[in-house]
Amino acid sequence: GENVEQHPSTLSVQEGDSAVIKCTYSDSASNYFPWYKQELGKGPQLIIDIRSNVGEKKDQRIAVTLNKTAKHFSLHITETQPEDSAVYFCAASEMKTSYDKVIFGPGTSLSVIP
Amino acid sequence: DAGVIQSPRHEVTEMGQEVTLRCKPISGHNSLFWYRQTMMRGLELLIYFNNNVPIDDSGMPEDRFSAKMPNASFSTLKIQPSEPRDSAVYFCASTRFENTEAFFGQGTRLTVV
Repeated sequence: GENVEQHPSTLSVQEGDSAVIKCTYSDSASNYFPWYKQELGKGPQLIIDIRSNVGEKKDQRIAVTLNKTAKHFSLHITETQPEDSAVYFCAASEMKTSYDKVIFGPGTSLSVIP
Repeated sequence: DAGVIQSPRHEVTEMGQEVTLRCKPISGHNSLFWYRQTMMRGLELLIYFNNNVPIDDSGMPEDRFSAKMPNASFSTLKIQPSEPRDSAVYFCASTRFENTEAFFGQGTRLTVV
């Protein structure tokens, strides 16, 4: 089955700096890679996703890159703000239908220092 | 829509007691997932349903855990008997067939003493 690894487990950056979180996956059949943000006391919320037919996707200060050959994908947050502080999860799935399993990485706790 | 609704938000119970967690998915969503979150193991998928039918329960830790979805608007996760190692936050999530985004509830924090 799919296995998703994520690094680093914790990350502290100064406000305004960039943050990068990296993930690897094991199943070459995976074709859907979402990123979720979990704030304290809340459930995870989708912030951006990317499919295997695209190498990069950007949404304002957030961007994701995907290297299918190397089975790597990354989340980039630019101009970080204190409200970006949260736990971020990467995930991977072979999304043939909506109910296929989404396997999550272990999470990265991001702290943005004002 | 109010989103995915889970109850209770917090549950404290004694070892050996039965615990029932409840979930109301978003109206119109036809897939429902139960996850368990712990510091040690992160987010683990326990079971998921499509159109009220269990598709994959390979993540259910043992026979003490069971889940049902009697209709499209309600699901339960039951632990009987509960043990201290079951202490975790349990999340329910739902998706709509054409949309791949999973919407999570606020979670139920379970403490078994």
